[in-house]
This record gives sequence, structure tokens and C-alpha cells, in this order.
Amino acid sequence: DTGVSQDPRHKITKRGQNVTFRCDPISEHNRLYWYRQTLGQGPEFLTYFQNEAQLEKSRLLSDRFSAERPKGSFSTLEIQRTEQGDSAMYLCASSLRVGHRVRNTGELFFGEGSRLTVL
Amino acid sequence: GNSVTQMEGPVTLSEEAFLTINCTYTATGYPSLFWYVQYPGEGLQLLLKATKADDKGSNKGFEATYRKETTSFHLEKGSVQVSDSAVYFCALSPYNAGKSTFGDGTTLTVKP
Repeated sequence: DTGVSQDPRHKITKRGQNVTFRCDPISEHNRLYWYRQTLGQGPEFLTYFQNEAQLEKSRLLSDRFSAERPKGSFSTLEIQRTEQGDSAMYLCASSLRVGHRVRNTGELFFGEGSRLTVL
Repeated sequence: GNSVTQMEGPVTLSEEAFLTINCTYTATGYPSLFWYVQYPGEGLQLLLKATKADDKGSNKGFEATYRKETTSFHLEKGSVQVSDSAVYFCALSPYNAGKSTFGDGTTLTVKP
């Protein structure tokens, strides 16, 4: 399977614990995005990378959240000192940005998500 | 900032009925517009897209036309099937293909 993969698919943790999610994008994709989705809502942007550079981070994102993409391939999203309000589905998506002279449509390829439940 | 407003759901239709899900957007410049679909137990996947004004995206019998004058991208299908039951998300991506902005989704249930 050459799609976007996320791990773990489900995580149950106690409030105050740290959790880490991993995302492996489609291999030739240079952009990687993290979104959060709660029940009845659309995906909410968290952050994105082009290769290893983090280009944008949501202003709504608490400093308890940190994401990395150290070698420009897989990415991790860590949540420190989890709170019940962090319970959500965390989505990873990837895309290919071709270059400045070509229209990049922004089509995203999503993984199946990592569901976090904070007790 | 950019925003997407979708018709509130849920929507319940009988098989072979006509479907319309409304979507309007607010954005600067010339965004690309998308409909993504999420089937039960699966991740979001692209259904169709349009990259400039008056473009029509189509796939699996679904269509949507990029209307810049009304800032809309309504999703339509002439005859829905039970297998179309899913959550549909309208989204936009800015010209430089930075972060995408999504609507809240519309749940469609098609009954036989």
C-alpha cells in the first residue's frame, strides 16, 4: 500500500500523559499536513511542512503541541500534558508541490487518522 | 481569512433521488475548490476538484461548478445510490497551495 499511513490508529490515554502520533506520507510527496477533526466538524488545520521545514502553524495551536519532520519523510505530532479537550481524530495528509511556475492545485491525500481519547 | 460554509445536514434521500449539497466560500485570490468524501470507517478522499472559474469537476456521477460570481461550488448528483452514503466536505486551497480550509461536512444517507 503506497498511501498515507498513520500510527497508532487509536490511542487512549490519561489526562496529563504525553502522546505521539506518526505519519508516513506518500513517498514522493514533499508537503505534509496535520489536521484535527472533532465530531460534526470539518478538519481543522494544525501545521504543515514542505520537506523538513515547518512552513505554518495554526495560531490556535497550544504550545503543548509540537510537530517534526526531521528528514523530510515521516512526521511526528506530539501532545504533551494531554487534556480532555484534546480528544479528537488527528489527520495527516500529504501533497506534491511541483514548483513556482506550475499551478499547484493543493489536492490532499489523507491517511485514515489517529483517534485520541483522553480520560 | 478563508472560510467555507456548507449546507447543514444530515440529508436523507431515497435511492435515485436528486442530490444538491450547497457550498459557498470566502477567499482572496483564486483558490482551487474541492469536494472530499469520507465513507464510513475510511479516511477522507478526493471526490472532485476545480481550479479556476467556470471549471466543472466531475467524478462518479457527481458534479460541481466553480462559480466565482456567487463564490459557490455546489455538489450535485442526478441519481443517488445507497453506496453514496457518506460525509461530504467542501474545501478550498489557496493559489499557492498552502493550507486547505474545510467546511463542517454534510452527512448523506441514502435509503433503498
